Amino acid sequence: AQTVTQSQPEMSVQEAETVTLSCTYDTSESDYYLFWYKQPPSRQMILVIRQEAYKQQNATENRFSVNFQKAAKSFSLKISDSQLGDAAMYFCAYRSFHAGGTSYGKLTFGQGTILTVHP
Amino acid sequence: DAGVIQSPRHEVTEMGQEVTLRCKPISGHDYLFWYRQTMMRGLELLIYFNNNVPIDDSGMPEDRFSAKMPNASFSTLKIQPSEPRDSAVYFCASGLGPSADGYTFGSGTRLTVV
Repeated sequence: AQTVTQSQPEMSVQEAETVTLSCTYDTSESDYYLFWYKQPPSRQMILVIRQEAYKQQNATENRFSVNFQKAAKSFSLKISDSQLGDAAMYFCAYRSFHAGGTSYGKLTFGQGTILTVHP
Repeated sequence: DAGVIQSPRHEVTEMGQEVTLRCKPISGHDYLFWYRQTMMRGLELLIYFNNNVPIDDSGMPEDRFSAKMPNASFSTLKIQPSEPRDSAVYFCASGLGPSADGYTFGSGTRLTVV
């Protein structure tokens, strides 16, 4: 079974600075998807960025980018020019790619990292 | 697109009562998930459906929990009888299997059992 680990329960950053959130995962599969979700105090789960494992290029969405290290099974999220609205709980998640397996379609989450942004 | 719609948004009930949480997925999505979120255990997958068929219910904590998906546009999660330890936020999410997109979550139902 796949597992996702976020080793940083809490992180903080100054407004306009850069912060990196860590995520590692364990899988025997070669193809899969990885995601970062944001959960602000409103509790709505918002998709921030996604990465297909077969793509070597790291995904980027505006101020959000990832550092995907497939061999190391690492998937970190970098937030540049942090804003007060970035304060939230961030979850890393894994999803299988190939149909047929019992875990196909299942989204497995890490424990989450609470990000605080200081003005 | 109205997104994934969950009701009610908040539910307070007394221990022993039956609770039913409802979810309307996004039209066309073939996967539906029920997650539970607590401070202690984080986000736990309870059960998920593909084309209205339950695929994995190994996360359902006890026989007190049951979930149904009678058609592609509606699902329920029922707890009977409810207990204080069931207090949590329950999320429903839906998505397309082959899609690289992450799943879309509803706003969640905050359940408090007193």
